[in-house]
Amino acid sequence: QVQLQESGPGLVKPSETLSLTCTVSGGSISSSSYYWGWIRQPPGKGLEWIGRTYYSGSTYYNPSLKSRVTMSVDTSKNRFSLKLSSVTAADTAVYYCARHPSTEYYFDSWGQGTLVTVSS
Amino acid sequence: QLVLTQSPSASASLGASVKLTCTLSSGHSSYAIAWHQQQPEKGPRYLMKLNSDGSHIKGDGIPDRFSGSSSGAERYLTISSLQSEDEAHYYCQTWGTGTFVVFGGGTKLTVL
Repeated sequence: QVQLQESGPGLVKPSETLSLTCTVSGGSISSSSYYWGWIRQPPGKGLEWIGRTYYSGSTYYNPSLKSRVTMSVDTSKNRFSLKLSSVTAADTAVYYCARHPSTEYYFDSWGQGTLVTVSS
Repeated sequence: QLVLTQSPSASASLGASVKLTCTLSSGHSSYAIAWHQQQPEKGPRYLMKLNSDGSHIKGDGIPDRFSGSSSGAERYLTISSLQSEDEAHYYCQTWGTGTFVVFGGGTKLTVL
């Protein structure tokens, strides 16, 4: 059974870049059957989709975040990454990585999440 | 615009059943959705993918107490024999033709 685990700094300063990694175990990130995505949840609020990436390196981002988001895949280490630039306090959230089939975009596996706080 | 609407809260008694609703916006009644459960202080957990005809694909280990059904633009999650651990937020999620992803606002279920 696939497992996803987020990692990265828990505190980022305003205007800097948030960087997170999701390590996949129990399955290959190189599978053509799945996309790999990021979702976030501000404290006490609902879920917001950030974007997704594929083993080939293709990406698709939420238009509301597109100008600040970069996602990438490292197939050699079976992991994928998220970078969010020019962060503000509004980017404080629990960040989740997740997987969805390549033909239908429902998330069928989730990481446990990691809290990132933006503060000086 | 593709939007999912959920009631903010619901409640039901221990051992009873509850039916949660997720409504697709106008023009999107044929869309499939997924249901996710988020227990307090935990990450979301995939429950099932639910099609417009009511057929569904459950996640691994999801009890039979959880079932899904559909009617028009409504997608339902029914939980029977409610247990204390079912107290959680429940989110529906879908995806658009542009391949973007949308979440509903979530329903907080209280087990009395």
